Amino acid sequence: GAVVSQHPSWVICKSGTSVKIECRSLDFQATTMFWYRQFPKQSLMLMATSNEGSKATYEQGVEKDKFLINHASLTLSTLTVTSAHPEDSSFYICSAWAGGLGYEQYFGPGTRLTVT
Amino acid sequence: GQNIDQPTEMTATEGAIVQINCTYQTSGFNGLFWYQQHAGEAPTFLSYNVLDGLEEKGRFSSFLSRSKGYSYLLLKELQMKDSASYLCAVRVESGRDDKIIFGKGTRLHILP
Repeated sequence: GAVVSQHPSWVICKSGTSVKIECRSLDFQATTMFWYRQFPKQSLMLMATSNEGSKATYEQGVEKDKFLINHASLTLSTLTVTSAHPEDSSFYICSAWAGGLGYEQYFGPGTRLTVT
Repeated sequence: GQNIDQPTEMTATEGAIVQINCTYQTSGFNGLFWYQQHAGEAPTFLSYNVLDGLEEKGRFSSFLSRSKGYSYLLLKELQMKDSASYLCAVRVESGRDDKIIFGKGTRLHILP
């Protein structure tokens, strides 16, 4: 099956710094990638939808200047958490969609971010 | 707005059957997913329903009624490894691309 990787799998950073998370589709081209955030014991919250070569579409309430998304190629999307605060500590998961008639999105393993 | 409801927690016994319900009110409905998620891991795909009816896949079955905005996931012959969160998610039309909105998830506890 299709594989999506995320890097890093976990990261600890200091308050005020920026962190970049990469999401790669390893064996298929992803026309669309999604970024989710999940707090403990809560469900996945969609943050934004990114398409290769165009600006990401952010969900209501998600600050686009704080969570920078770049979908540079059909196999790579990055999420940068800028000026991180402790409340940004969360589990960030990306997923990739090959598009067309396919319906399944393939999830990455997630990145655990802790801001101290 | 989009709204997806499912019970927060359920408990069942090993070997038994459990049904997890999901109701939704969404616009631009384009299908319903069920995912399983173990703590600290990404969700794994279980099923996808776009037409009314029952889809059976081994020990897991999923049902959809579009007119009622209702779905359920049925797990048979429960095993301890089935202890996890089960996420109901709806695919909705959204401009250029569809997107998937998740419910809050149901934590299922399996007792020996």
